[in-house]
Amino acid sequence: QVSLVQSGAEVKKPGASVKVSCKASNYIFANYGMSWVREAPGQGLEWMGRISAYNGNTVYAQRFQGRVTMTVDTSTSTAYMEVRRLRSDDTAIYYCARDPPSTQAAGMLDYWGQGTLVTVSS
Amino acid sequence: DVVMTQSPLSLPVTLGQPASISCRSSQSLVYSEGNTYLSWFHQRPGQSPRRLIFKVSNRDSGVPDRFSGSGSGTDFTLKISRVEAEDVGVYYCMQGTHLISFGQGTRLEIK
Repeated sequence: QVSLVQSGAEVKKPGASVKVSCKASNYIFANYGMSWVREAPGQGLEWMGRISAYNGNTVYAQRFQGRVTMTVDTSTSTAYMEVRRLRSDDTAIYYCARDPPSTQAAGMLDYWGQGTLVTVSS
Repeated sequence: DVVMTQSPLSLPVTLGQPASISCRSSQSLVYSEGNTYLSWFHQRPGQSPRRLIFKVSNRDSGVPDRFSGSGSGTDFTLKISRVEAEDVGVYYCMQGTHLISFGQGTRLEIK
């Protein structure tokens, strides 16, 4: 069974950075991509971007460009998502979700991680 | 950006009765190769979203057949033939044709 296990909850101060990990298992990591989706308190789901585990290509939602970086480590089948210059409105649960390997391909999000709560507070 | 609009946003349903959620996109979701990438997700309180339906009408493995998806172009519908207690939570439509965007979510509750 496909499994995506994310890192634990984080508490950060405004202006700091956070890096969330997502370890994949039970499928060929390099044959897929990984999207990141966040859910702010009382809000819906917001797609942040996708990275190809095949070639490392990325595509970001416009509002996150320049502040978010997605990377992969194929040797450990782990995807990472870093958010810089954190603000209080970045407080949210961050999810990784499996996607096709190409940043040009249609989005599918067939399997999800358990989520990582990031709290931004002074 | 493609805007996804769901209705209703709140859906009280009696156990055993049917339920229906509408999702409209601001532009056609037909992809270049002819498929339409519209999915439906269910999120229970405190849990991650789970995909129920992909490419408009295909049920994911393990999804009960009381769930069905239909539609084309810009108008889509998720139907539950007989609501059960485990169906409570928030339902989201998602388009994957033009990057990815979600509807606002529809909260289903038992009357």
